[in-house]
Amino acid sequence: DTEVTQTPKHLVMGMTNKKSLKCEQHMGHRAMYWYKQKAKKPPELMFVYSYEKLSINESVPSRFSPECPNSSLLNLHLHALQPEDSALYLCASSQDGTSGSTDTQYFGPGTRLTVL
Amino acid sequence: AQSVTQLGSHVSVSEGALVLLRCNYSSSVPPYLFWYVQYPNQGLQLLLKYTSAATLVKGINGFEAEFKKSETSFHLTKPSAHMSDAAEYFCATNNAGNMLTFGGGTRLMVKP
Repeated sequence: DTEVTQTPKHLVMGMTNKKSLKCEQHMGHRAMYWYKQKAKKPPELMFVYSYEKLSINESVPSRFSPECPNSSLLNLHLHALQPEDSALYLCASSQDGTSGSTDTQYFGPGTRLTVL
Repeated sequence: AQSVTQLGSHVSVSEGALVLLRCNYSSSVPPYLFWYVQYPNQGLQLLLKYTSAATLVKGINGFEAEFKKSETSFHLTKPSAHMSDAAEYFCATNNAGNMLTFGGGTRLMVKP
C-alpha cells in the first residue's frame, strides 16, 4: 500500500479565516513533506519533517504553520492567507528522508485551496 | 545542487506513436533520478526511478527510461501512446535532505 491521503480535497477560505490541511500515511514512513503547486508549474517544497521533527523550512511565510503530531500525520495550519496562496497543496512521504538516496517520495492527491 | 531540465513544455503525439519526453540532468556525480506523472486535478504518481543498478529502467504503464551518462540524459519513452497517457510529466532529482528538485514539466497530448 503506497497511499497518502489528504483532506479536504477542496477548500475555499477568506483572508481572515483559519483552516487546516491534513495528510495521513500508514506506510511506516518517517519523513513527510508539504509542497505547493501553482497552475502549470512543478511542485515547490515548503517543509520537510523527518522523524517528526521539522528539518527543512524553505523560507515559507509564517501564515503557513506545519505540525507533525505523530509519524503518520502531517497538518498544515493556515491563517491570514493571501489570494496568491491559492494553489494545489501536496503532501508526500518517504521511508526516512535520507540525504542523497533513492528514498522515494509518494504523493497524496492534494488539496485545492482557493483564497478569496 | 543537482538540477534537471526538461526540453519541450508540450509534446503532441498521435495515438499509437512513440512517446519521447526529454530530461537532462546537471551533476558531477551519479544522480538519483525520477519520473512522475500527474493527471489533471490529481497528485503525482511515480513512474520509475534510476538507482544506478541498471541503465534501462522499466516503469509502470509501459514506460521506460534510459540513463546515459555520456549525454547526461534520462529520457522517458513509451513505444505506443494511448489516449490515457495524456498528462503532465515531471523529471526530478534528489538533493541534500531528500529535497526533490523538479524539471519544468512536459504536457503530453495524445491525438486520436
